[in-house]
Amino acid sequence: VQLLESGGGLVQPGGSLRLSCAASGFSFSTSAMNWVRQAPGRGLEWVSSLSDDGFTTKYADSVKGRFLISRDSSKNTLYLRLDSLRAEDTAVYYCAKEVEKRGVYFFDHWGQGTLVTVSS
Amino acid sequence: QSALTQEASVSGTVGQKVTLSCTGNSNNIGSYAVAWYQQTSRGAPKTVMFGNSLPSGIPDRFSGSKSGTTASLTISGLQPEDEADYYCSTWDYSLNAWVFGGGTKLTVL
Repeated sequence: VQLLESGGGLVQPGGSLRLSCAASGFSFSTSAMNWVRQAPGRGLEWVSSLSDDGFTTKYADSVKGRFLISRDSSKNTLYLRLDSLRAEDTAVYYCAKEVEKRGVYFFDHWGQGTLVTVSS
Repeated sequence: QSALTQEASVSGTVGQKVTLSCTGNSNNIGSYAVAWYQQTSRGAPKTVMFGNSLPSGIPDRFSGSKSGTTASLTISGLQPEDEADYYCSTWDYSLNAWVFGGGTKLTVL
């Protein structure tokens, strides 16, 4: 299993970015996927999730209305569109694969992350 | 402020047993199993426990348990390579969100 994020960078407040997560080594089209972020020196914060069929999305209150999660199963790629960016969105963004094993739902694989810096 | 509460730091010597705790409420830990993630030197998180089950490749000195609204991760026979930040996480049906603890920094003396 490999998850490779890209698309991070430096953006001004109010700007936009699109993050990508290229997946391989598992059945992407049957896996729910998530984005989790980590601000500098802080802990992990869940951002958004997308069901395997692409129809059910969930967002943390801190990003609702500003971020959009999507997927292209033909390309085995997960996306996160970040709009109206704020300084507090500065973080490493991780792509995480969600799984159910023995009745437990959790993230079994994580990417290496891509850094988003929001600053003027 | 995190929905789940963890100790900020825990320390132990090589070979010692240490227990990390994670406290939530009936909407999260009280209703769902907890997973634990290890993060070393700000690299990518790695799953070390889901419920009371070990992912493949994780040594059996790691064990997990839960009682009511508190989950625990125990490391028996602490090793230098166990030094890391540990995060607990589960689903919260009231928040309709995945929640994480603030993380525990484990130091191996």
